[in-house]
Amino acid sequence: AQRVTQPEKLLSVFKGAPVELKCNYSYSGSPELFWYVQYSRQRLQLLLRHISRESIKGFTADLNKGETSFHLKKPFAQEEDSAMYYCALKSYTGANSKLTFGKGITLSVRP
Amino acid sequence: DSGVTQTPKHLITATGQRVTLRCSPRSGDLSVYWYQQSLDQGLQFLIHYYNGEERAKGNILERFSAQQFPDLHSELNLSSLELGDSALYFCASSVGTGPHEKLFFGSGTQLSVL
Repeated sequence: AQRVTQPEKLLSVFKGAPVELKCNYSYSGSPELFWYVQYSRQRLQLLLRHISRESIKGFTADLNKGETSFHLKKPFAQEEDSAMYYCALKSYTGANSKLTFGKGITLSVRP
Repeated sequence: DSGVTQTPKHLITATGQRVTLRCSPRSGDLSVYWYQQSLDQGLQFLIHYYNGEERAKGNILERFSAQQFPDLHSELNLSSLELGDSALYFCASSVGTGPHEKLFFGSGTQLSVL
C-alpha cells in the first residue's frame, strides 16, 4: 500500500534561514509526487510536481528514489512562506488513480 | 478562487443524522476527489470520480457514499453521523493526467456533529 510520511508537524525558522520540509514515501510502483500548500485563509493549492523539475517561489524538490524521499527545500525563507505544506503521492490500481497526502507540516517563518 | 464550489460552508447537525455535501468542479474538469481533513489524521482520501464513474476508494466508511452526476457535480452523503465525523470535507477537481495532474480545491465544508 502507498504511504506518505511527513515526520515533523511544525518547523519554525527565522527569515533568511534555509528550509527543508521532509517527505518520505512508500510505493511499489513508479512514484509521482507533489507538494501542495495552504496559506492562511486560502485554499489548498499545488506548489510543485516532481515531473516538472521547476522552482516555484524559490522552492525546489528532488525525487530521490534510493531514499524514497521528496524533500522540499528553499535556501532563504521568507515570511510569506509561512503556511501548511502537504506532500502527496499519486498511486495507481490499473487505470484508476488516487492522490494520498501526508499529514502536513506547518512552516512558520519569523521576522 | 480555484473555481471549485462547495456548499454549504458550515453544517451543524446531531448524531444519527444524515447530511449531503455538494461540490461543483471547475468548468470542464471531469475528475472530482473528496477528502476529509482532521487535526489528527490530516487529509484522508475518501473517493475519486471521473466523468460519473467511481475510480478509486480510500478510507471511506460504509456510512458514507458519493456520486457524480451527468453535469459533473458531486455529492457526498454522510449518514448515521457520529461525533468523530466532525471534520473539514474538501472536494477537488483536476486537470491533466498522470504526473502532470493538478488538483484545484474547494474551500471545504466544515461539519460539526453535536
